[in-house]
Amino acid sequence: DIVMTQTPLSLSVTPGQPASISCKSSQSLLHRDGKTHLYWYVQKPGQSPQLLIYDVSSRFSGVPDRFSGSGSGTDFTLQISRVEAEDVGVYYCLQVTQLPKTFGQGTKVEIK
Amino acid sequence: EVQLVESGGGLVNPGGSLRLSCAASGFTFSAYSMNWVRQAPGRGLEWVASMTGDSAYIYYADSVKGRFTISRDNAKNSLYLQMNNLRAEDTAVYYCARETLSYLVDYWGQGTLVTVSS
Repeated sequence: DIVMTQTPLSLSVTPGQPASISCKSSQSLLHRDGKTHLYWYVQKPGQSPQLLIYDVSSRFSGVPDRFSGSGSGTDFTLQISRVEAEDVGVYYCLQVTQLPKTFGQGTKVEIK
Repeated sequence: EVQLVESGGGLVNPGGSLRLSCAASGFTFSAYSMNWVRQAPGRGLEWVASMTGDSAYIYYADSVKGRFTISRDNAKNSLYLQMNNLRAEDTAVYYCARETLSYLVDYWGQGTLVTVSS
């Protein structure tokens, strides 16, 4: 199984400041279709996960442009350029390149 | 608008069975693979099972293989998860989630809670 390791596990950020979350996979996530199926989700308190970024760096419909994704191979990063109060929640990376689909442990983002 | 609504959760004894349902609307259900993903209380997300739109391909996590069965009824726009021989460690919120042909797991339901306890 591909192990997804997120760091840090928690993050406290001042509004307006940037935030960055790392996700490392134990194997390359490059799929035979030529794409890298690495996704980022946020689970806000009391809600189900919401898709933010797909295929490493593509923003999902309606996601603010302060969210961006980057990386390749086994190292990936989610960046929030200017954190807002509504960004509070737990952020997860997910790989679907290989079964079983596996998630990172989650990174809890809080506002200072 | 894509909507996924899970139901069927509840309290069940260890060794018991439960059937979860996921009612889909707002899209052509048969054109999408579907997933079940669970989240134990206070824990992270764990993929459970997937099924393609035509039911041709079915996949399970090792932790549920042989005990859980995923199925769908495209005429009813519904996804199911039959859970047998339940264990305490199966206690979780169970989410259904849609997956596109390009493997994008995009929309999730609100979840249904399953509690396995005597």
